[in-house]
Amino acid sequence: AQSVTQLGSHVSVSEGALVLLRCNYSSSVPPYLFWYVQYPNQGLQLLLKYTTGATLVKGINGFEAEFKKSETSFHLTKPSAHMSDAAEYFCAYLAAGNKLTFGGGTRVLVKP
Amino acid sequence: GAVVSQHPSWVICKSGTSVKIECRSLDFQATTMFWYRQFPKQSLMLMATSNEGSKATYEQGVEKDKFLINHASLTLSTLTVTSAHPEDSSFYICSAPSGASYGTQYFGPGTRLLVL
Repeated sequence: AQSVTQLGSHVSVSEGALVLLRCNYSSSVPPYLFWYVQYPNQGLQLLLKYTTGATLVKGINGFEAEFKKSETSFHLTKPSAHMSDAAEYFCAYLAAGNKLTFGGGTRVLVKP
Repeated sequence: GAVVSQHPSWVICKSGTSVKIECRSLDFQATTMFWYRQFPKQSLMLMATSNEGSKATYEQGVEKDKFLINHASLTLSTLTVTSAHPEDSSFYICSAPSGASYGTQYFGPGTRLLVL
């Protein structure tokens, strides 16, 4: 079955440090992959997405992700964490019928 | 960007009552909308696909008689939780696909339901 797996339900980083959130997907077909962010008691906001073409995708708020087919990964990074990056992050996979399947989520805590 | 709204943002109701949640696409039309459920500190689980002018399609394990979905227009889908019970307490989120960017969905802000 197609799915996405996020490694680590919680990540703690210091302000200014690198943010790395891991996502692996399972599929035999090149997927459409997404990263969404959710702030407390809010809906989801799209950070970036991969469809085809360039494997390094740049998104909003300084985030970027690299699609690596050989590793079936789509990890999200940000060079320097900001306090406002504290949120829940979801990797998602676009399945048939335009349906999104989400990973378990990773909660990011930013320490001052 | 496109905006999806939900109403109400939160609701408290007594066990046994029904609750209706609205999802609107404010500046674009959506023939399809999706309803998700999110328990505390968990991921989003797709409940159903709302189709304008036709019946909704439900994911496996979701009771269609419990969660009634109506997609009456190209900008409005409603989710009614019938005879709500405490276990139905959750965060309900809707989304609508972008017509301009394949695969992109716009999410509503969510509705928190508490059933007493």
